Amino acid sequence: DAGVTQSPTHLIKTRGQQVTLRCSPKSGHDTVSWYQQALGQGPQFIFQYYEEEERQRGNFPDRFSGHQFPNYSSELNVNALLLGDSALYLCASRGLRTDTQYFGPGTRLTVL
Amino acid sequence: TQLLEQSPQFLSIQEGENLTVYCNSSSVFSSLQWYRQEPGEGPVLLVTVVTGGEVKKLKRLTFQFGDARKDSSLHITAAQPGDTGLYLCAGLQVAAGNKLTFGGGTRVLVKP
Repeated sequence: DAGVTQSPTHLIKTRGQQVTLRCSPKSGHDTVSWYQQALGQGPQFIFQYYEEEERQRGNFPDRFSGHQFPNYSSELNVNALLLGDSALYLCASRGLRTDTQYFGPGTRLTVL
Repeated sequence: TQLLEQSPQFLSIQEGENLTVYCNSSSVFSSLQWYRQEPGEGPVLLVTVVTGGEVKKLKRLTFQFGDARKDSSLHITAAQPGDTGLYLCAGLQVAAGNKLTFGGGTRVLVKP
C-alpha cells in the first residue's frame, strides 16, 4: 500500500514563473492538505481539499491555488513566484473519520 | 508569531543523556500531536494526546498533555543517535475544521 506520494522531488524556478506541484494521497484517503515549510521552521498550513473543493485556507495570498481531482489527487499551483516562496512543500492526506494525517516526502522548491 | 511555541529550538546532547522538549500555547486544542521529521522526508506521527493530563509512553519517549490542553512536553530517556531529528508539535482544533497548527520545531542532535 503506497503512502502519500509527491512530484517532483525537487524543482528550481525563477522569480515571476509559475509552478505546479502534485500529490497522490494514501489509498483510502479523501482529504488532502498542503503545507509550506521554510528552512528551519515548522510547516505552515496552506489549504485543505475535500470533495474537490477548498474547505479551509491558511494565511496565504491568492497566488497560491489548488485543485483536487475525482481520484482525490491534488495539485498546488503558485503564480508569480517570489524568492520567499522557496521552501519544502508538504502534502498530507487523511480519511474522513480520522484525525491522523500522513505526510508525503515533500517537494523542495527553490526560487532564484 | 507562532500559535505554538516550542523550546528549545536546538538541543545537542551526548548519547545516554535525557532531554525534554516543550510545546506551549495560549490556545486550547482538541488534541496535540508530536511528529519527528528527518532530512528530505515528511513528518511522521509519533503520538496523539487527547485528554488533559494524559501521559503516553512510546519506548523511551514520554509525552504529556497539560491539564488545560494548552501545552505538552516530550521527554526522551537515554537518548540514542537514532533519536536525532526535528521534533514538531501540532495542535488540532476541531472547531476550526480539524485545522492542524504546527510549532516551529526543535532540532535534536544526539552525538555518539
